[in-house]
Amino acid sequence: QKEVEQDPGPLSVPEGAIVSLNCTYSNSAFQYFMWYRQYSRKGPELLMYTYSSGNKEDGRFTAQVDKSSKYISLFIRDSQPSDSATYLCACEETSGSRLTFGEGTQLTVNP
Amino acid sequence: GAVVSQHPSRVICKSGTSVKIECRSLDFQATTMFWYRQFPKKSLMLMATSNEGSKATYEQGVEKDKFLINHASLTLSTLTVTSAHPEDSSFYICSAREPIQETQYFGPGTRLLVL
Repeated sequence: QKEVEQDPGPLSVPEGAIVSLNCTYSNSAFQYFMWYRQYSRKGPELLMYTYSSGNKEDGRFTAQVDKSSKYISLFIRDSQPSDSATYLCACEETSGSRLTFGEGTQLTVNP
Repeated sequence: GAVVSQHPSRVICKSGTSVKIECRSLDFQATTMFWYRQFPKKSLMLMATSNEGSKATYEQGVEKDKFLINHASLTLSTLTVTSAHPEDSSFYICSAREPIQETQYFGPGTRLLVL
């Protein structure tokens, strides 16, 4: 079993839709959770960084962490074609330690 | 956010040659940098952790003599693929740990094609 599971998709939504991306993890020691966005043939870009359980909002993006169920989510409101990319969740045990990535979900937002 | 650069962005080489890839943190000092490899439509695979002034720590299954890592300064780490073969063709991405938040910022990647 992988430490971090993520549905690879692909996921296709119309412009303006609310997008929900999810990951589950098995390692109880994970405390820090990140979402990265990766455009084709580019390096990942850090979108959200959260510690422990709770919500964090940044513009159209909201990250949620539920440590009790080992479930992390990223919501994108009013999705735009420019949001089309692969979204990777990542977890780490201690701040600055090695990241464990999910497989990534490929998202397409259609105009 | 913090900026990490990589050079070159793309390289094509003949089998048997060595290729050096540079990773630089442009606006912060990074005592730790990471090297990843990514296959098409796959997630990032950590190859090694590079610590400034000391030897890199390689992940299981990664040949340290094949993938030489040097982290000689707080803003530069290099990955040298020695005696490259076609199976080494891949997308290589580095990241640098920003020291205040301790989050990893990634470079734009280097696409290596070995003929």
